[in-house]
This record gives sequence, C-alpha cells and structure tokens, in this order.
Amino acid sequence: GAVVSQHPSWVICKSGTSVKIECRSLDFQATTMFWYRQFPKQSLMLMATSNEGSKATYEQGVEKDKFLINHASLTLSTLTVTSAHPEDSSFYICSVPATGQPYGYTFGSGTRLTVV
Amino acid sequence: DAKTTQPPSMDCAEGRAANLPCNHSTISGNEYVYWYRQIHSQGPQYIIHGLKNNETNEMASLIITEDRKSSTLILPHATLRDTAVYYCIVRVATNAGKSTFGDGTTLTVKP
Repeated sequence: GAVVSQHPSWVICKSGTSVKIECRSLDFQATTMFWYRQFPKQSLMLMATSNEGSKATYEQGVEKDKFLINHASLTLSTLTVTSAHPEDSSFYICSVPATGQPYGYTFGSGTRLTVV
Repeated sequence: DAKTTQPPSMDCAEGRAANLPCNHSTISGNEYVYWYRQIHSQGPQYIIHGLKNNETNEMASLIITEDRKSSTLILPHATLRDTAVYYCIVRVATNAGKSTFGDGTTLTVKP
C-alpha cells in the first residue's frame, strides 16, 4: 500500500523560531496533500490543502503567513511554522489522497511540536 | 461531504466484538463511508470503506443499512491494541478532495 513519511516525529523549539515539517509520499506521486493540526483530546482540524506547483489553499481562520506550505515536487510537501509561539504547540499530520477511486487517504505518522 | 454522528466513547471487553455505530442520515447516493482509526500520538490509519454493500477485510467488517443512513464498524475480536479513536467519514469518491473529521468514537478495550 501507499506509504507516507513525515519528519520529524517530534520537535522542540524556542518561541520565535521557525520549524519545518516534511511530508513525503514514498511510492507514488501526489499533486495534492493535506495538512491537519490536532490539539490534545480533539479531532483533526484541516489547516490547508497543498497543491504541487501552485499556492496552497488555506482553511478559514488559518494564517497563511504563519503556516507556510511548499509543494515543490510530486513527492514532497513542507509545512513551516514561522515565529512559533507556545500556542502553536500541537500535533501536525499530513495526508495524501489515493491515486484512484474510491479515494481514501494515507496519513503520515504525525509531528509533535512543542514550543517553549 | 455528509455530516456524521458517532458516540463519543465505548468500552469493549478483550476478545469480544466491538460494534461502532455511525449515523450519516444525509448521505448522498455517490458518497462512500470510510472508517479510519487513530491510535494515541499516531497518524490515522485506514480501516475499511463501502458504498452500499457490506464489506469485510482483514481488519474489520462494515455493515451499511439498506437506506445507507447509518453504518456499523465491527472489530470481530477486539484486542488491547484496538484501543483508539475511530472516525467515520462520508465523502464523494470521485475526487481526491479534502475531508473533515468529526469527533470520532474513543474505543477502550479492557482486559
């Protein structure tokens, strides 16, 4: 089956710094990837849709200048949390849709971000 | 995508069948039912999907009512490792578009 690799699995950073999270589809090409954020004991919240070769589409209320998404190749999307603050501490997850019907998703293993 | 409703939590004894319900009364004719689960601090994992017929794979069975307004995910012999949050999602299967997740059901399998 499809494999999605997400890196790093956890990261601790200082307030005010930026952190980059990578999401790779290892065995198939992905023109679209999705980024979610999950706070403790809450469900996944869709942040944005990453589109290969074009701008990402952000969900309402998500700051595009805060959460920079780059999808420069068919196998890699990156999420950069800029000027991170403690309230950005969360579990970030990427997902990639299957390449054929009936479209499901393969998820990365997630990145635990802690901003201190 | 159609909205889904799931109970917030359920318990199940180890070795017994776990039956997780999902209500999707506004489902459209071209929408599939997908189930995913998320074990603590991991990304969600695909379990099974179906349109209108019952489905079974190595992980679970999916029972969809005739009117398609609800479904049940069945884990035939639950183990402690099946403790997770289970999400039911309903969506059109003709595109690779985005999906939103509801709150899911937290299944706790007890020894």
